[in-house]
Amino acid sequence: DVKVTQSSRYLVKRTGEKVFLECVQDMDHENMFWYRQDPGLGLRLIYFSYDVKMKEKGDIPEGYSVSREKKERFSLILESASTNQTSMYLCASSFEGVNTEAFFGQGTRLTVV
Amino acid sequence: KNEVEQSPQNLTAQEGEFITINCSYSVGISALHWLQQHPGGGIVSLFMLSSGKKKHGRLIATINIQEKHSSLHITASHPRDSAVYICAAEGYTGNQFYFGTGTSLTVIP
Repeated sequence: DVKVTQSSRYLVKRTGEKVFLECVQDMDHENMFWYRQDPGLGLRLIYFSYDVKMKEKGDIPEGYSVSREKKERFSLILESASTNQTSMYLCASSFEGVNTEAFFGQGTRLTVV
Repeated sequence: KNEVEQSPQNLTAQEGEFITINCSYSVGISALHWLQQHPGGGIVSLFMLSSGKKKHGRLIATINIQEKHSSLHITASHPRDSAVYICAAEGYTGNQFYFGTGTSLTVIP
């Protein structure tokens, strides 16, 4: 059974903290994505990685960075968490190219207080 | 400006009813995806289609490329179908997706 695993389902952090969200996939996918999902806005792409150590900014990269040191793992880093980063964060992965199915993790609901 | 529009935003149906969710898009696409998100957050891919029609169990997805429109139908709806259904248009590169804001479906027994 294919799987994308996010390290936490729920997370509460304080303003100014450095936050790490981890995502691991076991399907040998080249592509990995981090999205945030907010009511009325749908999914918005934060960062995309198409290979180890390769990354591209998505639509809303400000305040975030990413790391992909191994093919199976893609980390999202909030350098200094702020309350407007309270959201649902979803990781996804897929094979390279177009018309390939994306597989999603269970999501991490992050609250910054 | 939203590249992908879904309707309705919210839908309540009685068990057994036939349900249709609509998706219109304004960009060129390589494929159209339908996703399902249950309470708790996890997203599952239901369909990926670039033409015609696909069927999986009680779910049917259709796409009209000329009209830039897709529909998701659920026949004989059941309370376990209650979820948010998301339409996503895939562009011509591997990382370009345009997401609708989702349709929240509640099926009442």
